[in-house]
Amino acid sequence: DAGVIQSPRHEVTEMGQEVTLRCKPISGHNSLFWYRQTMMRGLELLIYFNNNVPIDDSGMPEDRFSAKMPNASFSTLKIQPSEPRDSAVYFCASSFGGLNTEAFFGQGTRLTVV
Amino acid sequence: TQLLEQSPQFLSIQEGENLTVYCNSSSVFSSLQWYRQEPGEGPVLLVTVVTGGEVKKLKRLTFQFGDARKDSSLHITAAQPGDTGLYLCSSARQLTFGSGTQLTVLP
Repeated sequence: DAGVIQSPRHEVTEMGQEVTLRCKPISGHNSLFWYRQTMMRGLELLIYFNNNVPIDDSGMPEDRFSAKMPNASFSTLKIQPSEPRDSAVYFCASSFGGLNTEAFFGQGTRLTVV
Repeated sequence: TQLLEQSPQFLSIQEGENLTVYCNSSSVFSSLQWYRQEPGEGPVLLVTVVTGGEVKKLKRLTFQFGDARKDSSLHITAAQPGDTGLYLCSSARQLTFGSGTQLTVLP
């Protein structure tokens, strides 16, 4: 298995632009997580899906952030409009069984908003 | 939300030395996970501990879960440059991560 696949690996965009991050979870996994990692705040959970349904989105910073999972093999995290403070590494992870199980992480998308 | 405190924040040691890093919480963990993250990569699970007082060994790494399930430690024996990375503890139930210990092992 190729593992969790994220794209793009790097994204540089101007403030105010829309940014879409993509994730393909491991086949057969039924839970998907989006995280954001910064030096200041560490690794933060943004949203958690189980069987394609958002279970906990309390970590989503504000209305500019939205996430979708239209099917079991694809998810997107969208920021519109983007701001410089959104600059971070965004990770997607998937697991089989949800909480209390091993989460497999992708390589992340490094987002820079200038 | 369960807050996890990790210490030390940074640790730089020579190859061959031993070290211990810590993860503490004010509340009880249902289970706890340790991950290691290398530069440019996502975290990778090392171990999950569930039972108070549990000790798990993974080659030169020894993980201990406190009796009260509020704290955990990771001990590395004879550290090697390949152990360099960010060590993160996680409350698996809430998917909350500590801020991590950045370990550098110098050859």
